[in-house]
Amino acid sequence: QVQLQESGPGVVKTSETLSLSCTVSGGSISGSPYYWGWIRQPPGRGLDWIGSMYYGGDTYYNPSLKSRVTISIDTSKNQFSLRLTSVTAADTAVFYCARHGGDHRIDSWGQGVLVTVSS
Amino acid sequence: SYVLTQPPSVSVTPGETATITCEGSNIGRKSVQWYQQKPGQAPVLVIYYDTDRPSGIPERFSGSNSGNTATLTNSRVEAGDEADYYCQVWDSSGAHVVFGGGTKLTVL
Repeated sequence: QVQLQESGPGVVKTSETLSLSCTVSGGSISGSPYYWGWIRQPPGRGLDWIGSMYYGGDTYYNPSLKSRVTISIDTSKNQFSLRLTSVTAADTAVFYCARHGGDHRIDSWGQGVLVTVSS
Repeated sequence: SYVLTQPPSVSVTPGETATITCEGSNIGRKSVQWYQQKPGQAPVLVIYYDTDRPSGIPERFSGSNSGNTATLTNSRVEAGDEADYYCQVWDSSGAHVVFGGGTKLTVL
């Protein structure tokens, strides 16, 4: 069974770039017909989809974040990554990496990592 | 963009039936997933393809979807089912994953 694990700094300064990685174990990113994506959850609030990347390379982003988000895959490390630029306090959240198939059910989630944006 | 609307909260007593709705324009034409999230934990898929349960999910969880409303039903609520529940679809017109705002299920 595939497992996902987020990693990255827990604190990012206002206006800087948030960078997170997700390491996939128990399965290969390359050659698997899945989407690899990121979802965030501000404290006490609901789930907010950030974006996903298909294993073939196509990317899909939340329109509200599209100008600030980049998702990429590193097949050599079996990892995928998130970059979110120009962060503000409103970007403080638990960030989850996740996998969804062509039917778009999210069947695997990382445990989540809290990222706080602070000046 | 596509919007999913859920009631903020639902309360039931143990053993009773809990029903959580998810409203969206012609949602009956989409495939709906439901997730359960307990405090401090990642969400867990409990229903997919409107009505299917992943292995390990109790039979008391069921789903339906028609018209403008999808529904998650828990036919015999237990104290351990207290959690937040989210509906989710893929909006093919915009190529987006969309979540509902979430419903907090309280077991009285």
